Amino acid sequence: EAGVVQSPRYKIIEKKQPVAFWCNPISGHNTLYWYLQNLGQGPELLIRYENEEAVDDSQLPKDRFSAERLKGVDSTLKIQPAELGDSAVYLCASSPSSGSGSTDTQYFGPGTRLTVL
Amino acid sequence: GDSVTQMEGPVTLSEEAFLTINCTYTATGYPSLFWYVQYPGEGLQLLLKATKADDKGSNKGFEATYRKETTSFHLEKGSVQVSDSAVYFCALRSDYKLSFGAGTTVTVRA
Repeated sequence: EAGVVQSPRYKIIEKKQPVAFWCNPISGHNTLYWYLQNLGQGPELLIRYENEEAVDDSQLPKDRFSAERLKGVDSTLKIQPAELGDSAVYLCASSPSSGSGSTDTQYFGPGTRLTVL
Repeated sequence: GDSVTQMEGPVTLSEEAFLTINCTYTATGYPSLFWYVQYPGEGLQLLLKATKADDKGSNKGFEATYRKETTSFHLEKGSVQVSDSAVYFCALRSDYKLSFGAGTTVTVRA
């Protein structure tokens, strides 16, 4: 079974430019997560989707970040405009479900390493 | 809020040495606990998990026991290999949300 797929794996852009990251979750997984991982730190949740609905975007900086999951499968995370401090690894994860009390494991993709110059 | 504190690295060991990475947590309720591993150039992979007190998770020779009385989930392996060189993350899950520690870099020398 294929794992979580992300692209691109690496991206280098100038500050103030836009950038987008793509994620394809494991087939059949209804829940999709985007995480931010700064160097030397653990991942931090940005947004969680249940199917096509963003059910928790409280940690997403909405002035410059946006995300979508139009058909409840693939998802795109966008930054516009990018700032120097956005340099980090952006991780996508998926799980079968995430209902209250669920112990479903989250499966992570390889991440996109963003460098903003 | 929920949080995880894990042993700072980096940790450097010789092959066949014993590895322990300490992890303690703060949480309301009864979280599930996880160890994830990140090999160089790869994404996070689930190493093992435990969902209730006194459960022991194990995989690839690694073990960790969910200790509610000490709010700990220490990772251990009796004899490490060079291929165990990676970054190890302790995490807790409360409802759907995963909270991670900062990670511990482990390097095993031949």
